[in-house]
Amino acid sequence: QKEVEQDPGPLSVPEGAIVSLNCTYSNSAFQYFMWYRQYSRKGPELLMYTYSSGNKEDGRFTAQVDKSSKYISLFIRDSQPSDSATYLCAMTNFNTGNQFYFGTGTSLTVIP
Amino acid sequence: GAGVSQTPSNKVTEKGKYVELRCDPISGHTALYWYRQSLGQGPEFLIYFQGTGAADDSGLPNDRFFAVRPEGSVSTLKIQRTERGDSAVYLCASSLTLAGDTQYFGPGTRLTVL
Repeated sequence: QKEVEQDPGPLSVPEGAIVSLNCTYSNSAFQYFMWYRQYSRKGPELLMYTYSSGNKEDGRFTAQVDKSSKYISLFIRDSQPSDSATYLCAMTNFNTGNQFYFGTGTSLTVIP
Repeated sequence: GAGVSQTPSNKVTEKGKYVELRCDPISGHTALYWYRQSLGQGPEFLIYFQGTGAADDSGLPNDRFFAVRPEGSVSTLKIQRTERGDSAVYLCASSLTLAGDTQYFGPGTRLTVL
């Protein structure tokens, strides 16, 4: 079983839609959760990070962590064509090392 | 420079050849990481450095892979006797310190082994 599971999509939505992206994980020791955005042929770019359970909002983006369910989400409101990219979740436990565990990424296309 | 840079951006080589991939981290970042990303997959951890020393190399797939960071800044990932299965994008990231800091990624080197 992979440490982090993520539906690869692809996901296609009309402009202005609310997008929900999700990951599940198996290691209950993970404490630090991140979402990266990766455009084609580019390196991943950090979008959001959260520590432990709860919600965090930044503009049109909201990251949610539910440690009891081992489930994290990223919501994108009022989606724009420029949001079209692959979204990667990542997580780690800094107490035992600095290795980040990534999901496979979800490919998102926002149609104008 | 403002971000992590990697050279070359693309590398095509023949099976059995030796390759070196270079990473220039963000100035002042002490931690440096190498990842490998295959098509349709997320980045897979290879190795990370704190300063000049490899703090964790548990992700290196076998002894054909080796990385160095002799002066605590630039790092080189070396692959000997390349195989077709080594074809992937090799990503480098750096962070200010080892624990708890955001990792900033470079654009990657796309390695193709023919």
